Parts: sequence; C-alpha cells; structure tokens
Amino acid sequence: DTGVSQDPRHKITKRGQNVTFRCDPISEHNRLYWYRQTLGQGPEFLTYFQNEAQLEKSRLLSDRFSAERPKGSFSTLEIQRTEQGDSAMYLCASSLGQDFEKLFFGSGTQLSVL
Amino acid sequence: DQQVKQNSPSLSVQEGRISILNCDYTNSMFDYFLWYKKYPAEGPTFLISISSIKDKNEDGRFTVFLNKSAKHLSLHIVPSQPGDSAVYFCAATPSGTYKYIFGTGTRLKVLA
Repeated sequence: DTGVSQDPRHKITKRGQNVTFRCDPISEHNRLYWYRQTLGQGPEFLTYFQNEAQLEKSRLLSDRFSAERPKGSFSTLEIQRTEQGDSAMYLCASSLGQDFEKLFFGSGTQLSVL
Repeated sequence: DQQVKQNSPSLSVQEGRISILNCDYTNSMFDYFLWYKKYPAEGPTFLISISSIKDKNEDGRFTVFLNKSAKHLSLHIVPSQPGDSAVYFCAATPSGTYKYIFGTGTRLKVLA
C-alpha cells in the first residue's frame, strides 16, 4: 500500500495557460475523487469515478475543467485557460468502492495562477 | 448552501484535557459521517466514522457522537495531546450517493 500519489506537488502557471494534474490511487481502489480546497475552507467536491466511469460532477465545475480515468487506474484533471480564481489545493482521494467507507487522500497539488 | 457546518474556526485546549469539536448538518438524508484531520501541506487523514443508525462510536482517545434529531455531530478527544494540533474536518455522505461533503474545518491547538 503506497498510498495515493499526486503529481506535481506544486504548479505555478500564468493566467490563460492549461494545466494537467495526475493522481495514482491505491491499487485495487475502484473509486477515485477530485476535490479542491482553498484557504480557510474544507475540501470541495469536484467529481468522482467508479472505475473508468465518471459518475458525478459538481455544478461548480465549469467547462474549463475536465477529468478522465481512461483505464480505471490513474486519473488526470485538466484545467484549460486558467484563471486566478483557480488557485487552490487540488486533492485526489480513492476508496475501495463499498458502502460506508473512508476516503484515502493524497498530499495534493498546490496550483498558483499568476 | 453549506450543508455541513463547523461554526468554530478554532479551539485551544490544554494538554491532557478534553477537546470537543462540533459539526452541524442540514440534510436529513446524510447516512454516514466521518472526521478527518489535516496537517499543513498534507492531505486529510481519516480519524473515525459513524453511520446514521448509531449514536456513538469510539476508537481509542477518539469518540464521535451523533444526535440525529438535532442534526449535530461531535468529536471528543480525551486526553488531548500536542500532536493532535491540526485542522479537523467533519464530512457526510447523502444516502444514494458516494459524494462526501466536508465542513469548513476547526483548527485545534493543544497547549503543552
């Protein structure tokens, strides 16, 4: 059990650029989640996958955000035409895929949009 | 629309005493509740959970209480230790979904 891995840990970009983050969940975990956290707030749900299927997506997620989990293993989160308001910690979490279970979080990717 | 609320942004407690962190929710369809702890520059780590059919769950120094009629959840830490200093988040999942909704967090500081 190597834990949930996220890459990169930090990303600084200029407004208008595209960025992509990667998440490797714990092996054999079927569910994968993306959350966003800003200073002083709790993790805010963005989307989650059951295997390769994206089952739910937050209404807060604009069309500039897209997430994929092509083979049901790792996932990528892309933000197009970044804005300063996108600056946040992006957290990935995974779980086995059962009822009433805990999420295991990665250390996150800190995005700063200048 | 904040469905899970933690109204105390911070709490300070002396080492050895009890820490009580509170959480209120508005959605009566929540059926599973969790507490997470977060240190700076790390992701949240799971502490303890409770399903809506129970009113108490205990794990070592940590006890979670659920009052469904009041839509209130609390985490008790006894005795508090300096290593418990962190931000604590409560979270809940609505019935029929696997989405976890988090509160805004309470920063606990345990004073030696």
